[in-house]
Amino acid sequence: AQSVTQPDIHITVSEGASLELRCNYSYGATPYLFWYVQSPGQGLQLLLKYFSGDTLVQGIKGFEAEFKRSQSSFNLRKPSVHWSDAAEYFCAVGARQAGTALIFGKGTTLSVSS
Amino acid sequence: DAGVIQSPRHEVTEMGQEVTLRCKPISGHDYLFWYRQTMMRGLELLIYFNNNVPIDDSGMPEDRFSAKMPNASFSTLKIQPSEPRDSAVYFCASGSTANTEAFFGQGTRLTVV
Repeated sequence: AQSVTQPDIHITVSEGASLELRCNYSYGATPYLFWYVQSPGQGLQLLLKYFSGDTLVQGIKGFEAEFKRSQSSFNLRKPSVHWSDAAEYFCAVGARQAGTALIFGKGTTLSVSS
Repeated sequence: DAGVIQSPRHEVTEMGQEVTLRCKPISGHDYLFWYRQTMMRGLELLIYFNNNVPIDDSGMPEDRFSAKMPNASFSTLKIQPSEPRDSAVYFCASGSTANTEAFFGQGTRLTVV
C-alpha cells in the first residue's frame, strides 16, 4: 500500500540555522511529490512539487527539496530559518496514474527558537 | 479568485445532532476532496469527486457520514448523528487533477460535545 512517512513529529531549530525535514514514501513507482505548510488555524499551502526532471526543486519562501529515488526520499531544506517558518509541514505523494488523490504524511511541527 | 471557501469555520454541536459542512471549490476545478485532520490520524482523505461524481469514498468512516456535490460550485459533508469522536478539522480542497496540486480551504473545526 502507498504510504508517506515523516519520521520527526516535532523539530526545534534556532533562528538562522539550517533546516531539513525528512520524508520517505512507499510507492510502486516514482510518484509525484509535494510539500505543504500549514500555519495555525489555516489550510495547507503548497511549498513545492516534483513531477520529473531536475531532482532538486525550488519552492516558495526559500525552501527546496531533493528527490532521491534510491532512498525513496524527498527531504525539505532551508538554509536559514526565520521565526515565521514555525508551522506544520506535510509531505504528500500522488500517483502518476490519473484519478488517485494525494496521500499525506502525518506532518512535522517546526518550532523556531530565538 | 477567492480560493476554496468553507463554512462554517467553527462548529460546536451536541452529540446526536446533524452537522453539515459546506465547500465552494475554485471555479474551473474538476476535482473536489474532503479531508479530515486529527492529532492521532493526521490528514485522512474521506472522499473525492470528479465532475460532481463521487470517485472514491473508501475513506468515509461509517454510514453516519455522507457527501454530496449537486453542482460544480458546491459540496456538502454531512454527519448524522454526530459523535464526540467526530471532533476534528475538516478540510475541503479542489484541483484540476486528482494527483497533482490540491488547493485547500481554511477548514472547519468541528467540536462535538
